[in-house]
Amino acid sequence: DTAVSQTPKYLVTQMGNDKSIKCEQNLGHDTMYWYKQDSKKFLKIMFSYNNKELIINETVPNRFSPKSPDKAHLNLHINSLELGDSAVYFCASSQLQGFAGNTIYFGEGSWLTVV
Amino acid sequence: DAKTTQPPSMDCAEGRAANLPCNHSTISGNEYVYWYRQIHSQGPQYIIHGLKNNETNEMASLIITEDRKSSTLILPHATLRDTAVYYCIVSPSGGYQKVTFGTGTKLQVIP
Repeated sequence: DTAVSQTPKYLVTQMGNDKSIKCEQNLGHDTMYWYKQDSKKFLKIMFSYNNKELIINETVPNRFSPKSPDKAHLNLHINSLELGDSAVYFCASSQLQGFAGNTIYFGEGSWLTVV
Repeated sequence: DAKTTQPPSMDCAEGRAANLPCNHSTISGNEYVYWYRQIHSQGPQYIIHGLKNNETNEMASLIITEDRKSSTLILPHATLRDTAVYYCIVSPSGGYQKVTFGTGTKLQVIP
């Protein structure tokens, strides 16, 4: 039973398209995140939600819009995809906010390739 | 803007202890040391964390120097499944942390 699940796992799409990545956690956590891992393997936080409320919004183009219909779901919608958006996107969740004595559970990742 | 320095890669023989070092010379008093690992094509996995004292759990041990400027993650009996990238992260307690994982150490466990 996967704790943090995200779909699709692989996505290849053309520039200019709009796409969404869905994420669900069944751990009963209050906080969810989206991270981006680029080609150099740096993993950076993009967004953090706590109980459906946006907490962290890093310097991310406004083409990226997270949506949290409930605290178990945090979806990522990307408009007008660009080549530079190609990356692996990880959804994550935790009981508490941030790292403080807290374990963050990551999903398996969604490999996005923009052509 | 990572606050830690790790060697890019290490090898370890299967069954031996793997000792992964991390320098965090600018760590402040309320910052924890965390270790995560990422096995190829999977999401990062929490291993262990600590503040001042050494810590041990079923996966690993964490040794933090007295001045807290460096730490070592110890996998006591490395297996092939421990081959992964290991990330050392420092993060303050409380609040909202905008943590970036650095490039980590690629540990290759050799049969």
